Amino acid sequence: GEDVEQSLFLSVREGDSSVINCTYTDSSSTYLYWYKQEPGAGLQLLTYIFSNMDMKQDQRLTVLLNKKDKHLSLRIADTQTGDSAIYFCAEGTGANNLFFGTGTRLTVIP
Amino acid sequence: NAGVTQTPKFQVLKTGQSMTLQCAQDMNHNSMYWYRQDPGMGLRLIYYSASEGTTDKGEVPNGYNVSRLNKREFSLRLESAAPSQTSVYFCASSEALVSSGNTIYFGEGSWLTVV
Repeated sequence: GEDVEQSLFLSVREGDSSVINCTYTDSSSTYLYWYKQEPGAGLQLLTYIFSNMDMKQDQRLTVLLNKKDKHLSLRIADTQTGDSAIYFCAEGTGANNLFFGTGTRLTVIP
Repeated sequence: NAGVTQTPKFQVLKTGQSMTLQCAQDMNHNSMYWYRQDPGMGLRLIYYSASEGTTDKGEVPNGYNVSRLNKREFSLRLESAAPSQTSVYFCASSEALVSSGNTIYFGEGSWLTVV
């Protein structure tokens, strides 16, 4: 099946930028998503990007897509303690499913 | 805004017992999903229902059954629970299937432990 990989942990200082990376294998991916999961909660959709786009910006969030390298990143500007959570990237293909990465646990240090 | 509601939130089962996880959405979505989340493995699709009256297997359907009771409700049943089914289960819904670019909205999860 599809393989979506992320690093497991990231720590940043409050006010710095965070960059969470993701690689995927299915070149037919149509949409790529970023979800946020806070402790004890479900997944909250943060943003998504269509595969024919290179970049999408939404307030403090910037998504970059390098389709040639199958690399997706999420940049959070001015990271706050409330951004501490697990971030999942997911790819949507022609199948009726999203394939999720393992999640990156972001810890923001005050 | 209720969104996707699932019950129970926590459950402990003995091996061999059966139980049903309930899920309801109030967004008038056509498609519904059940995922499980295990440490270090992300989320994996168990079953989905593209529309009322249809259900299909996902990546890890063995040991589970589902029922799309109506447009709002989609239940997941464990007929004979096994310790390998200890996991966090998420119900989700979307307006239509993700292959059409629709986004998925998740419930808050059900923590199931099988001893």
